[in-house]
Amino acid sequence: ETGVTQSPTHLIKTRGQQVTLRCSSQSGHNTVSWYQQALGQGPQFIFQYYREEENGRGNFPPRFSGLQFPNYSSELNVNALELDDSALYLCASTTGGGTGELFFGEGSRLTVL
Amino acid sequence: QKEVEQDPGPLSVPEGAIVSLNCTYSNSAFQYFMWYRQYSRKGPELLMYTYSSGNKEDGRFTAQVDKSSKYISLFIRDSQPSDSATYLCAMHTGGFKTIFGAGTRLFVKA
Repeated sequence: ETGVTQSPTHLIKTRGQQVTLRCSSQSGHNTVSWYQQALGQGPQFIFQYYREEENGRGNFPPRFSGLQFPNYSSELNVNALELDDSALYLCASTTGGGTGELFFGEGSRLTVL
Repeated sequence: QKEVEQDPGPLSVPEGAIVSLNCTYSNSAFQYFMWYRQYSRKGPELLMYTYSSGNKEDGRFTAQVDKSSKYISLFIRDSQPSDSATYLCAMHTGGFKTIFGAGTRLFVKA
């Protein structure tokens, strides 16, 4: 069984740039969620995708957007990067049963200078 | 007030000690309660999962949920240095998002 994989693992951007982060979900999982984890904090929900549609969103501005593909892999795009966007971005997959059990990848650590 | 409150620690204990980690919450709609373990520079991994109130045991780990007090706990028996990590409590209403606590950093000294 293949777990959740994310890429890239680390990246550095400058303020105002755009970034795309990628995620392959765990085999058999059709729902993908993205979380932002700032240093010393718990993960914060960004949004969730099910069957290629966004079906839930947290308190993040529209410059955070995403996609889910037919194979259930997903992308997180962030436009007009700000210094506060520096964080660990976590992708989590689940079977979508609504129980909240999440299976996380290792994360993509984004630094915005 | 945050929906989920968790003491960030750090908590330092000697090897073999019993560890108690706790979270309180304010949203009575939470039905699913989880504990995740996160090692440094890694993603969180699901450790314990409980539906509604009650206890659940898995090896050295016991999760307790008291919905009347809006209080959940994780106990680790015979703690090991390999248990040193950040422990995140998490809660879910059955909707689309999981709410996490800030995490408690645990250090188990050999």
